[in-house]
Amino acid sequence: DAKTTQPNSMESNEEEPVHLPCNHSTISGTDYIHWYRQLPSQGPEYVIHGLTSNVNNRMASLAIAEDRKSSTLILHRATLRDAAVYYCILRSTGANSKLTFGKGITLSVRP
Amino acid sequence: KAGVTQTPRYLIKTRGQQVTLSCSPISGHRSVSWYQQTPGQGLQFLFEYFSETQRNKGNFPGRFSGRQFSNSRSEMNVSTLELGDSALYLCASSLSGSGTGELFFGEGSRLTVL
Repeated sequence: DAKTTQPNSMESNEEEPVHLPCNHSTISGTDYIHWYRQLPSQGPEYVIHGLTSNVNNRMASLAIAEDRKSSTLILHRATLRDAAVYYCILRSTGANSKLTFGKGITLSVRP
Repeated sequence: KAGVTQTPRYLIKTRGQQVTLSCSPISGHRSVSWYQQTPGQGLQFLFEYFSETQRNKGNFPGRFSGRQFSNSRSEMNVSTLELGDSALYLCASSLSGSGTGELFFGEGSRLTVL
């Protein structure tokens, strides 16, 4: 299964943009790039996903490299509530869609 | 609409016992997947069910099993519990289970094995 690599942790200041990187050099053509985040004592929460083009939603933006071997989750203005573990995951299409989670990146937000 | 519901939220068992965990997906969702989360190994995929059929399985021993009912509710069972089975067990539901859709996670069942 294709795997993802993320830094262990990042720090950000409140109300500043945050760029969370993810490497997925073994991604296949049918793999979607998903991002989830997990706040303490909660289950993971969907953030965003994409295939080839950059994506925007109310929570974040996803920038995907042209060769799809890396992507970046962008939080435009970090808040204290954004402090969480962020997981970059590859999810294939079709019936055998297995999710492989990496260790995730722990984001700390300073007030 | 109601989210994914997992029961029980907390439970304590002893080595050698077995445990059954339940997951009720969001109404209309046909895919349910299960994950084990531990501090050392992180989130690991256990298995996925779609329309009562197991579609995919992670690298866990046969002591871990599951099933899905006709109403899409799912259960997972762990037999002959070991200390290392202590973990947060999460389930997630989605409409189709394909890579295009988002997963909705429950809050998990925290199992402690003594």
